[in-house]
Amino acid sequence: SQKIEQNSEALNIQEGKTATLTCNYTNYSPAYLQWYRQDPGRGPVFLLLIRENEKEKRKERLKVTFDTTLKQSLFHITASQPADSATYLCALEDNFNKFYFGSGTKLNVKP
Amino acid sequence: DTAVSQTPKYLVTQMGNDKSIKCEQNLGHDTMYWYKQDSKKFLKIMFSYNNKELIINETVPNRFSPKSPDKAHLNLHINSLELGDSAVYFCASSLRRQEETQYFGPGTRLLVL
Repeated sequence: SQKIEQNSEALNIQEGKTATLTCNYTNYSPAYLQWYRQDPGRGPVFLLLIRENEKEKRKERLKVTFDTTLKQSLFHITASQPADSATYLCALEDNFNKFYFGSGTKLNVKP
Repeated sequence: DTAVSQTPKYLVTQMGNDKSIKCEQNLGHDTMYWYKQDSKKFLKIMFSYNNKELIINETVPNRFSPKSPDKAHLNLHINSLELGDSAVYFCASSLRRQEETQYFGPGTRLLVL
């Protein structure tokens, strides 16, 4: 089965800086990978999807990269704001339509 | 308008009881899911239904029984609750089975005493 690893330690950065979060997976490369945001007491909210043939995907201040050689995806938030503080989860789907989620990395953006 | 709704939001109950959690989506999606998020925040899939048919049934105790009366509803019934069942249970839906964004409900916080 697939295993997803995200840094369990919180990432603390200053407002205005770029936050970079890492997602590593262990087995075969999925056809795509997703990133979600989860706020305390709420369900995850979809942010971005990147396919295996895409190196990079952008949406406003968000950027995701996908390196199938390294088995890694990086999630960047540029010009970070305190409102970006949340837990960010990466997820992928295997060949049997089963979703795997990472445990998430908590981002704290300080004013 | 809530896209994916769950009831109840909080559930506190005694060990050994039977309880149900309800989920409804008004997005017209074909696929619905149940996830369990434990204290370490891992989100693990439990079940997936596509057009009322069970397509994923993970290694979950058979005390957990999902039921989909129609495409818009996926309920979760839990028999003989145990302490280890305490977690947050999320319902989600997606338009189709593959390569689709999932829309999550607000979660049901279950505490078994």
